[in-house]
Amino acid sequence: GAVVSQHPSWVICKSGTSVKIECRSLDFQATTMFWYRQFPKQSLMLMATSNEGSKATYEQGVEKDKFLINHASLTLSTLTVTSAHPEDSSFYICSASPNGAGTQPQHFGDGTRLSIL
Amino acid sequence: DAKTTQPPSMDCAEGRAANLPCNHSTISGNEYVYWYRQIHSQGPQYIIHGLKNNETNEMASLIITEDRKSSTLILPHATLRDTAVYYCIVRAHTGANSKLTFGKGITLSVRP
Repeated sequence: GAVVSQHPSWVICKSGTSVKIECRSLDFQATTMFWYRQFPKQSLMLMATSNEGSKATYEQGVEKDKFLINHASLTLSTLTVTSAHPEDSSFYICSASPNGAGTQPQHFGDGTRLSIL
Repeated sequence: DAKTTQPPSMDCAEGRAANLPCNHSTISGNEYVYWYRQIHSQGPQYIIHGLKNNETNEMASLIITEDRKSSTLILPHATLRDTAVYYCIVRAHTGANSKLTFGKGITLSVRP
């Protein structure tokens, strides 16, 4: 089945550091990938839609200059949290589906737990 | 906002069928019903989806009412590993509505 891989699984870093999270589709190509954030005991919230070869689409309230998204190939999207602060600590999850967000179900990575000290 | 409503929690005994309800009374004609589950500290796992016919796969069955305003996910023989948060989501397959909007889901606890 479709496999989505995220790296790293968890990261701890100091306040002010920028952190990059990778999302890869291992056995399919994805023109569209999605980035979610989940705070403890809450549901997943969509942050942005990543489009290969074009700019990402951000949800209302998500700062595009703070959460930089690059989707340079059909199998890789990256999310960079710039100048991270403790309030950015969260569980970040990506998803993708074959043929973009079309007829196939989205498959999710195992998430990246980010802790900012 | 999520277009579905689910009870916050339920439990069932191991080995018994778990029937998880979902209401989606404002579903549009082009929207599918999807079910995902999330085991603690993992990414969501796709379970099943359907439009109007009942669907079955190796994980579960999905029963959609004729008016499509509600559905039930059935885990035929629940195990302890099925303890998770289950999300019922309606999603169109094309256009701006193709993204998934997660509600609070239902927490299923399978007891020994």
